[in-house]
Amino acid sequence: QSALTQPASVSGSPGQSITIACTGTSSDVGGYNYVSWYQQHSGKAPKLMIYDVTNRPSGVSDRFSGSKSGNTASLTISGLQAEDEAHYYCSSYSTNSVLFGGGTKLTVL
Amino acid sequence: QVQLQESGPGLVKPSETLSLTCTVSGGSINSRSHYWGWIRQAPGKGLEWIGSIFYSGTTSYNPSLKSRVTISVDTSTNQFSLRLKSVTAADTAVYYCARHEGNGDFFDYWGQGTLVTVSS
Repeated sequence: QSALTQPASVSGSPGQSITIACTGTSSDVGGYNYVSWYQQHSGKAPKLMIYDVTNRPSGVSDRFSGSKSGNTASLTISGLQAEDEAHYYCSSYSTNSVLFGGGTKLTVL
Repeated sequence: QVQLQESGPGLVKPSETLSLTCTVSGGSINSRSHYWGWIRQAPGKGLEWIGSIFYSGTTSYNPSLKSRVTISVDTSTNQFSLRLKSVTAADTAVYYCARHEGNGDFFDYWGQGTLVTVSS
């Protein structure tokens, strides 16, 4: 099993929107609607931001949204804020297993 | 509010066994809706799922670690544990415990993490 593929880094200016892609296969991302996204600030535990492809947990800003097309899931952050600067990880179910992406560093310019 | 707290030695010698415990508070580990998982993160690296357990003892493991990992649960103390044998420097990481929705879905509550260093 290979990790899911994410870009190493993305950046954007305050107020802009960015999208982070997470590419897997038909055995994981493409085969199940069990994709989740986590935000991790330096030295902190990951925080769930999106679950089951499109759902936001209570308390997560509606500036965060998720989607999926085929074997690629995406996290979009609109109205970028300085506090959004962090690492973001996607995750997917894969037959009796869980895969994570390699992580994407978001820099708010 | 569910809280999880990892505990265990911060230093383990090469070839020995790493042992960690996760104590769950604010909720019961006997939940029929949740598994309980371990995830690790090597310094400067990404997240790696180690394995998960149901209150009944049913487990699932990362195939790459399966031969060295054992996860167990103690419902009387609301704890679950990780044992990783024959460790090497490559097992140095922050180890997190987390609540796992179903078996394979998202992790909604996480412990703060504990750094385990493998070194002689």
